[in-house]
Amino acid sequence: NAGVTQTPKFRVLKTGQSMTLLCAQDMNHEYMYWYRQDPGMGLRLIHYSVGEGTTAKGEVPDGYNVSRLKKQNFLLGLESAAPSQTSVYFCASSLMVLQETQYFGPGTRLLVL
Amino acid sequence: DQQVKQNSPSLSVQEGRISILNCDYTNSMFDYFLWYKKYPAEGPTFLISISSIKDKNEDGRFTVFLNKSAKHLSLHIVPSQPGDSAVYFCAAISSGGSNYKLTFGKGTLLTVNP
Repeated sequence: NAGVTQTPKFRVLKTGQSMTLLCAQDMNHEYMYWYRQDPGMGLRLIHYSVGEGTTAKGEVPDGYNVSRLKKQNFLLGLESAAPSQTSVYFCASSLMVLQETQYFGPGTRLLVL
Repeated sequence: DQQVKQNSPSLSVQEGRISILNCDYTNSMFDYFLWYKKYPAEGPTFLISISSIKDKNEDGRFTVFLNKSAKHLSLHIVPSQPGDSAVYFCAAISSGGSNYKLTFGKGTLLTVNP
């Protein structure tokens, strides 16, 4: 099992450009999450999904959109990137919402110039 | 307003000694607490958790203590090993309603010196 994988690992964008971050999990988990981590901050939830075809806003959703067309994939989109979105993005998945084991991907480092 | 606080950004201990990482929370609705460990350039990995109905949970070298009245939890690592050097995040969740949100602290960087 690959667990949770994220694509790409690193990306540089110019302000105003768009991109999509891909998260894939092969554990048949229902719940998937996107977090961002900034220096000196904990992980903050951007959006999450409780199942295929469903998404919901987290703590810091502005500027991002998500889609969960397939159970194994959770996409995070930036329509018009801003320097404030420079961060490390982590995807996670879990079988149940209170399952202690949220499995995290290795992260995507995004730099917006 | 931070609901989960890890007031020590860093901690340094000698190999073989005890490491104690602390975490405070303000939201009385939190009833499940977790510790995650993170190495550089990797995603966080789950370490240990505790439900609010317990005051202690032990897993090998790792023990988490919960003091509900003080809204405080701590992670003890005994004995500490150099491989334990990582950032440790405390996280909390409320099992009531439809809150799917894990609230994380800012993390504590633990360095275990050989």
